[in-house]
Amino acid sequence: EIVLTQSPGTLSLSPGERATLSCRASQSVLSSYLAWYQQKPGQAPRLLIYGASNRATGIPDRFSGSGSGTAFTLTISRLEPEDFAFYYCQYYGYSPLWTFGQGTKVEIK
Amino acid sequence: QVQLQESGPGLVKPSQTLSLTCTVSGASISSGLYYWSWIRQPAGKGLEWIGQIYTSGSTNYNPSLKSRVTMSVDTSKNQFSLKLTSVTAADTALYFCARDASAYVRDNSRSTKTYFMDVWGIGSTVTVSS
Repeated sequence: EIVLTQSPGTLSLSPGERATLSCRASQSVLSSYLAWYQQKPGQAPRLLIYGASNRATGIPDRFSGSGSGTAFTLTISRLEPEDFAFYYCQYYGYSPLWTFGQGTKVEIK
Repeated sequence: QVQLQESGPGLVKPSQTLSLTCTVSGASISSGLYYWSWIRQPAGKGLEWIGQIYTSGSTNYNPSLKSRVTMSVDTSKNQFSLKLTSVTAADTALYFCARDASAYVRDNSRSTKTYFMDVWGIGSTVTVSS
């Protein structure tokens, strides 16, 4: 079973700052199967990135994804007020078929 | 645009069966282009994938829940459903349905098919309590 570990648990930043979120897999995985989601309180998750680095439709270019092997990163180049939320990484392809990280909260400093 | 809407009882007694339905609008489950998943989220916690179903009725379940989960699809109503038996308080959560989509991406020099959940319902809260 693949375990995804996200860090930090909480990231306290100010609008305009750069956010760097980490997702580490318990073993080497295919970057093609790594996705990132944003979730705001009371809302469903929203797909941001798929295939580790491909932005989903309508996602601003301040969001970018990178990584390979066991280490993946979601970067928000300049935080906008609407970006303060929870972020989850997700992997497809093992048992269970879909695995989520435990999440990172990006909060206003 | 594609929309998913969960529905079902908000309160279930311990040991009974949780039943939820997801109604899809703006797309046809019969198209065969997608799988359809259920995911849950206990209050203040992360996301747990429960299982997925295809148009044909083929399913994949999370091994941790497999013994208690049954999913089904009704193409005539454009709906898919979740049943979770023998529920306990630990099954109290916000339950989401989602569409499992795919796309081809470049991975080094190769074109690889990848998967992701691109449309989600707003969620349905289920509380297990007597």
